[in-house]
Formats: sequence, structure tokens, C-alpha cells
Amino acid sequence: AQSVTQLGSHVSVSEGALVLLRCNYSSSVPPYLFWYVQYPNQGLQLLLKYTSAATLVKGINGFEAEFKKSETSFHLTKPSAHMSDAAEYFCAVTLKAAGNKLTFGGGTRVLVKP
Amino acid sequence: EPEVTQTPSHQVTQMGQEVILRCVPISNHLYFYWYRQILGQKVEFLVSFYNNEISEKSEIFDDQFSVERPDGSNFTLKIRSTKLEDSAMYFCASSTRDRGDEQFFGPGTRLTVL
Repeated sequence: AQSVTQLGSHVSVSEGALVLLRCNYSSSVPPYLFWYVQYPNQGLQLLLKYTSAATLVKGINGFEAEFKKSETSFHLTKPSAHMSDAAEYFCAVTLKAAGNKLTFGGGTRVLVKP
Repeated sequence: EPEVTQTPSHQVTQMGQEVILRCVPISNHLYFYWYRQILGQKVEFLVSFYNNEISEKSEIFDDQFSVERPDGSNFTLKIRSTKLEDSAMYFCASSTRDRGDEQFFGPGTRLTVL
């Protein structure tokens, strides 16, 4: 079975500051890992995904994430926050040996202060 | 850009009534999914559907739930006799293939059971 933990349900950053959202996963087999973003009144949009190629993955809107197997982590970062980054972010995992069911973390809501 | 659409955006129903939530996946996608998010909780997988049959379902997806692809474009989730605890945001998603492919999500239907 797989599970995902996101540390911090709310994060507040200043505009221009580093955004760091933490995600740890648990799985018995190699995973695929995803970060999704949800803006108000919209569906989930893929930011980036890890599928066993490069461990440092670059996504849209300047976000990137690094897969660290030893730490079972897939933290999301952006060097400089923008007001438009205010949204809820979800880390999710699915297993290579199984179907495509996504297991989500609890989400982290990001507030960007001017 | 192709997108997944869902109707209605809001649905209010009385306990015990049947509801049908509708989704139009992206046209060349082959795999379809339903997820739900109870207010304040994680996004949870309900069911995946491929080649006109259920490929995987969660424990939540009991006999009260059913899915159907009645024609070449729609994908529906039916709840036969709604309960108060079915109140949630329901998301439809689709992908071209499984095993790590990006799932494209619709904007969701908010179901309120009174």
C-alpha cells in the first residue's frame, strides 16, 4: 500500500521568498510521484511528475521537485514566490506495479504576502 | 486546450435520492477516474474505468455507487441512495494510458446531501 504525508497544511511566504513544500511517501515498490496545484474553483492541475528518469524534475511556473529515495521525499520548491502562486498544492503517488490510482497527501495551502 | 468538464458544478439533493454526476473526459483519453474530497479531508480515489469496465475501485465505492460510459463522450457516476456522508466535491479525471501518465482533472461537482 502507498501513502503520502505533507508536512504543514498551511504555509505563508513573502513575495520573492523561497517556497518549500514538503512531501514524504511510503510505498513498498518504486513509485511515480506527482505534484498538483488547485486554484480556487478549479480542478487539479499537474505541476510536475517523477517517473524514474532524472531525480530533479522541473515543472511549470518555475517549480521543481527532487526525488530522494533514501529520504522517501519529493519536496516541491520555487526560488521566488509570486502572488499568483497562492493556491493549494497536493502531492500524490501511484505505484509502478499497480494501476494508476493516485493516493494524495492532505494538501498544503500557500498564502503569499506582498 | 482540451479539458475535462463536469456538470453540474453544484448539486443539492435530499438524503435517499439518486444523483448522477456527469463528466466529459478529454476525447482521445482511454482511462477514466472518479475521486472525491470531503471538506477538510484528503482527495480520495473512488474508481478507475477502462475499456468499458471497472479496473480498480476503493472500499468507498460500494454497491450504492456505479459508473457508466453511456456513449463515446460522457462518463457518469451514479449514487443510488445518497447519504449525508456522501456530501463532498467529486472530481472526474482522464488519462491516455495508465502507469504514471498524467491524469487531467475536471473542476469538480460539489454535492450537498441534506
